[in-house]
Amino acid sequence: DADVTQTPRNRITKTGKRIMLECSQTKGHDRMYWYRQDPGLGLRLIYYSFDVKDINKGEISDGYSVSRQAQAKFSLSLESAIPNQTALYFCATRGRGTEAFFGQGTRLTVV
Amino acid sequence: AQSVSQHNHHVILSEAASLELGCNYSYGGTVNLFWYVQYPGQHLQLLLKYFSGDPLVKGIKGFEAEFIKSKFSFNLRKPSVQWSDTAEYFCAVNAPTGYSTLTFGKGTMLLVSP
Repeated sequence: DADVTQTPRNRITKTGKRIMLECSQTKGHDRMYWYRQDPGLGLRLIYYSFDVKDINKGEISDGYSVSRQAQAKFSLSLESAIPNQTALYFCATRGRGTEAFFGQGTRLTVV
Repeated sequence: AQSVSQHNHHVILSEAASLELGCNYSYGGTVNLFWYVQYPGQHLQLLLKYFSGDPLVKGIKGFEAEFIKSKFSFNLRKPSVQWSDTAEYFCAVNAPTGYSTLTFGKGTMLLVSP
């Protein structure tokens, strides 16, 4: 089983719909991140959390929200999806003094 | 705030050619540095990392990187690339103190022709 699991892996949704992307990890890490990948732009940080009670905005948080339901779970929501949110989304975890471990990604298409 | 600059967006090489991908970061303090690789259709995987000690770091699959503090650089090298090295490569940095985030460069797409 993967250390960091994202669901769904692929999703097509309509403009205006609410959608949730889920991430769970078995690494026991306290830090979790949501990134968005677009061609030529690399990975940009949407939100991050250093523990269950700590949520922080990243560089492109507008239009997104998150929930840290437990140390192992970190969900990303698009309240009202728009086409320019079409992208590849990655969840990552990191422990203190370690590198980041990534999930397989969720390919989201907003039509 | 930290930032990362990768000099080449696309690199095309023939098999057996040598590779060097540039990475410069901007941050005034101590840093941890990483190179990640993303093969087509896959997630990011760690190639190598630098936390402290020997500035020449060896990673998986024959890759290495050299941390040059005075130049704020962490360039990735491989003496002889293979077709299977075709992938996108990302340099990343974070500050090891406090609660810093991991900042990525925009990536370099490497295409190795057989």
